[in-house]
Amino acid sequence: KAGVTQTPRYLIKTRGQQVTLSCSPISGHRSVSWYQQTPGQGLQFLFEYFSETQRNKGNFPGRFSGRQFSNSRSEMNVSTLELGDSALYLCASSLGLAGGPVTGELFFGEGSRLTVL
Amino acid sequence: KNEVEQSPQNLTAQEGEFITINCSYSVGISALHWLQQHPGGGIVSLFMLSSGKKKHGRLIATINIQEKHSSLHITASHPRDSAVYICAVRTSGSRLTFGEGTQLTVNP
Repeated sequence: KAGVTQTPRYLIKTRGQQVTLSCSPISGHRSVSWYQQTPGQGLQFLFEYFSETQRNKGNFPGRFSGRQFSNSRSEMNVSTLELGDSALYLCASSLGLAGGPVTGELFFGEGSRLTVL
Repeated sequence: KNEVEQSPQNLTAQEGEFITINCSYSVGISALHWLQQHPGGGIVSLFMLSSGKKKHGRLIATINIQEKHSSLHITASHPRDSAVYICAVRTSGSRLTFGEGTQLTVNP
């Protein structure tokens, strides 16, 4: 069974640009969540999608957005990049439950490491 | 005060020692996760707990809901256990809140 796939693994952008990261969950998993990890703030929750709907959102500005497609693949976008957006972006998939909180075990991808110059 | 506190922040042990990492939280939760992160970034989920105790190989995780406390134990530690161990709690809906992590180094 293939794991969670994140692309690209590494990327370098300059301030003001925008970036799109992709996450393909484990087959059959309907929930995808995104996290940002920085040395200063640690791991922080960005948002979670289930069946193409955003179910929960962390405390990040509107420059951070995401979506989920009908095949459960998810993308996140960061517009008008700032130096502080340099981070490891991780996604995780889980089975998910319709109509209720996610209770399943999380399976993480290897992450996308973004550097903003 | 952080909603999730881990201790210790750093831990160095000799191979074979019994290791305990603690996690305390201050909010109501629906589940608690223990995660392992190796250099390079990849995160592996070790346990998901909502009550009691779970065991997987040399790893044991316990949770006390009344005391809002969880522990991760590693028996017969090995250098390959060296990693960052992260406690995360699931609060309202699907939001996860993370501890700062415990850097474990096991020397041969």
